[in-house]
Amino acid sequence: QKEVEQNSGPLSVPEGAIASLNCTYSDRGSQSFFWYRQYSGKSPELIMFIYSNGDKEDGRFTAQLNKASQYVSLLIRDSQPSDSATYLCAAEPGAGGTSYGKLTFGQGTILTVHP
Amino acid sequence: DVKVTQSSRYLVKRTGEKVFLECVQDMDHENMFWYRQDPGLGLRLIYFSYDVKMKEKGDIPEGYSVSREKKERFSLILESASTNQTSMYLCASSPPGRDTQYFGPGTRLTVL
Repeated sequence: QKEVEQNSGPLSVPEGAIASLNCTYSDRGSQSFFWYRQYSGKSPELIMFIYSNGDKEDGRFTAQLNKASQYVSLLIRDSQPSDSATYLCAAEPGAGGTSYGKLTFGQGTILTVHP
Repeated sequence: DVKVTQSSRYLVKRTGEKVFLECVQDMDHENMFWYRQDPGLGLRLIYFSYDVKMKEKGDIPEGYSVSREKKERFSLILESASTNQTSMYLCASSPPGRDTQYFGPGTRLTVL
């Protein structure tokens, strides 16, 4: 079974620090990758998506993709207490038929940003 | 603005009851999904649908069925609820192609 693995948490960082969240995937054919944030008791919301190797920046968030190493990461700069949440990594299945938008999710990493 | 709604935020049912969870999206999306989320197990796909009346099993379909009679509505049915189906149920939708899934607020179901 194709898997998405996230570094085990919880991860605790001080306010203002860089939080680094990591994810590996087993399906070498995966082309699209997503990071979702989920606050306690709420549903996941999209933070970023990335399709190409390299970095993609959006405000304080940077997604990094390395397809050769099958590795995706999310960096949060200047972390704030409001960033405290569970972060889910997801990959769209690779080629070999239509995926119909299916995603394989990692189990999530709990991030706590303390003042 | 993207909008996915679910019929209930909290639901309490008895063992053996038939349970209907409704999901509606107003974005004209073709693809719709039902997940359950449990601590330590992450999001697990139950069923998905890529068109009206079309459905495919996900990773954990046992004990569930689905219905999609209209494009905007995707229903999850627990034929005979059991205590191990106590969970958070999340509905999502996505347009065709390489794009993201948009989630509803979730239904926390408790089966007593």
